[in-house]
Amino acid sequence: DQQVKQNSPSLSVQEGRISILNCDYTNSMFDYFLWYKKYPAEGPTFLISISSIKDKNEDGRFTVFLNKSAKHLSLHIVPSQPGDSAVYFCAASSNNNDMRFGAGTRLTVKP
Amino acid sequence: KAGVTQTPRYLIKTRGQQVTLSCSPISGHRSVSWYQQTPGQGLQFLFEYFSETQRNKGNFPGRFSGRQFSNSRSEMNVSTLELGDSALYLCASSLEPSYNEQFFGPGTRLTVL
Repeated sequence: DQQVKQNSPSLSVQEGRISILNCDYTNSMFDYFLWYKKYPAEGPTFLISISSIKDKNEDGRFTVFLNKSAKHLSLHIVPSQPGDSAVYFCAASSNNNDMRFGAGTRLTVKP
Repeated sequence: KAGVTQTPRYLIKTRGQQVTLSCSPISGHRSVSWYQQTPGQGLQFLFEYFSETQRNKGNFPGRFSGRQFSNSRSEMNVSTLELGDSALYLCASSLEPSYNEQFFGPGTRLTVL
């Protein structure tokens, strides 16, 4: 069962514009959420995380927003750069459960 | 500090064979998780080991098994390979069980012919 869903398999944006990647989850027990970035031939690398006690976490050009009532989180990248082109995975976990990942969204940032 | 290493990087097997993949976590990390990545399915959780004990297991058949050694290194084994087992197998390590940020290895690309 897909407890974490990324409904957009791909996203294309222009360099300098905002990229918004979305993620929905179904398990209300999840209380910790992460975004990973994956380049071809490499393993995913951690990007940013957010605890359920917060609704926003910012790190440079990357901001993650959490809407617990809607069971939805999003990753904003501003401004987008060509080097941001990668597959982005949303992940969620709770203290006693394994981490669940979404199917990923392939972001392409065009120069 | 060296990252997570996985061996081999690429593997070709035929149906019915069995395979063992290896993962060496970051030094000091005691938790190792395994994931299967296939196109369109994202990362599917296989199992997690912590202090040599399987802590969690995903929804995979019994042909998939794993273990962890006292030095935290982990192996996963797939017996009686099927064509659908072709995937990228990723190992991730963390200081503590999967609640925290995980560090991924580059993966082992398994092709079953």
